[in-house]
Amino acid sequence: NAGVTQTPKFRVLKTGQSMTLLCAQDMNHEYMYWYRQDPGMGLRLIHYSVGEGTTAKGEVPDGYNVSRLKKQNFLLGLESAAPSQTSVYFCASSYWGQSNYEQYFGPGTRLTVT
Amino acid sequence: RKEVEQDPGPFNVPEGATVAFNCTYSNSASQSFFWYRQDCRKEPKLLMSVYSSGNEDGRFTAQLNRASQYISLLIRDSKLSDSATYLCVVGRSSGSARQLTFGSGTQLTVLP
Repeated sequence: NAGVTQTPKFRVLKTGQSMTLLCAQDMNHEYMYWYRQDPGMGLRLIHYSVGEGTTAKGEVPDGYNVSRLKKQNFLLGLESAAPSQTSVYFCASSYWGQSNYEQYFGPGTRLTVT
Repeated sequence: RKEVEQDPGPFNVPEGATVAFNCTYSNSASQSFFWYRQDCRKEPKLLMSVYSSGNEDGRFTAQLNRASQYISLLIRDSKLSDSATYLCVVGRSSGSARQLTFGSGTQLTVLP
């Protein structure tokens, strides 16, 4: 049981390049989330998904797109990277449940845009 | 104003000390409350949920005051392994999703 995994762990991009971050979970969770973490800012929600084929915007969605074609995978895309997108990106997943909010996080992807 | 506010610290305490962290939240619709722990360059992990009646897990005690919108975490008999950043987290329903809002964290270093 690997939990939540993220690919890649590190990446350096030039301004204007594109890339896709992959998140995979083997816990059969309905909900999946993408966050970014910047110094002094805490984790901020980019996009989330409540099930296969559905996505929604979070607090800071601009410049990112997502897709959830399979229940176990949640992809985060940067179409044209900007230096402001330099950050640590965390994926998380959680059960569907009326009172269950616990989220399980992947190890993170450290992205630098130059 | 941030939705979840924490003292960023850092808190530097000797082994065996008792240390308390505080947190306030602004959204009265918040329904669930947590402390997460994040080690340096690692992912956040759930430390404990926080209930209105207060709850304890070993050396850790969490309190919630809904009227004041205030959450606290007390660590007794600090260990070197407690060194980490502690994130105050509140949860609420948004549409069909369960969303968490994270504070920016309080950094703790336990010194030998």
